[in-house]
Amino acid sequence: QSVLTQPPSVSGAPGQRVTISCTGSSSNLGANYDVHWYQHLPGTAPKLLIYGNNNRPSGVPDRFSGSKSGTSASLAITGLQAEDEADYYCQSYDSGLSGVIFGGGTELTVL
Amino acid sequence: QLQLQESGPGLVKPSETLSLTCTVSGGSMSSSSYYWGWIRQPPGKGLEWIGSIYYSGTTYYNLSLKSRLTISVDTSKNQFSLKLSSVTAADTAVYYCARLGGSWGGYFQHWGQGTLVTVSS
Repeated sequence: QSVLTQPPSVSGAPGQRVTISCTGSSSNLGANYDVHWYQHLPGTAPKLLIYGNNNRPSGVPDRFSGSKSGTSASLAITGLQAEDEADYYCQSYDSGLSGVIFGGGTELTVL
Repeated sequence: QLQLQESGPGLVKPSETLSLTCTVSGGSMSSSSYYWGWIRQPPGKGLEWIGSIYYSGTTYYNLSLKSRLTISVDTSKNQFSLKLSSVTAADTAVYYCARLGGSWGGYFQHWGQGTLVTVSS
C-alpha cells in the first residue's frame, strides 16, 4: 500500500486529454511538499516529466502539465499519442516517514 | 551529457549482502554539490526509494531498510555504492541509481538504466 494513491490504470484515445491523480495526506502533499512525476516504459530508465508540482524539464513537451492543491496532485496529458503509453508515477517527501515516497503507479493505455 | 551506470552481481544468495556500484560519467561528483540516490522496483510492483547520499558523504535512508543498508560515495572514482545485507527474495528488484535535482528529498533528475538483482539460492 503506497502512501501516495494513484489509480492503477487510465486510458484514452489518440488526441484526447487524460488526467492521473495522486492523493496524499497531511504529512506529505498536504504539508506543502512538492510533487514530481515520472514516465516509465518497461525496461528503460524512468524519465522525469514534472518537478516542483508544475515545472517541465527541458525537452518534455508542453502536452504534459502538473498541478497540486492541498493533499492532491494531478498530471494532465493532452493530445494523447501512442508513444505516451507507459507507467506514470508521482513522488514526494513524507515527514512522518522522513523519506521519499512514490505513488503506486498508473498504467496509461492509448486506445 | 550526464550518464549513470549500475553494476554488480545479478544473482545474490539469501542471507548474503547485495552490493551495487553506480558509475557517473559526463560530470564530476566532487566538483558539484548534488545528492545521489538509489531506487528499486520489484517485479510487477512500483518504485521504492532506498536511500540518498550527498557528495560529501551524508546519508539518508529509507527507515524500513536502514538496519540493513549502507550507501557510500567515492568522488575520486566518480562512483557511489549500495550495500544491502541479509537479503531475502523480497529484495529481488531492478535497482536504479539516480542524481537528484534539488535536495535529498526532492526529484530524481537523471537515472541509470537499472540492473536486475535476483535473490535466490
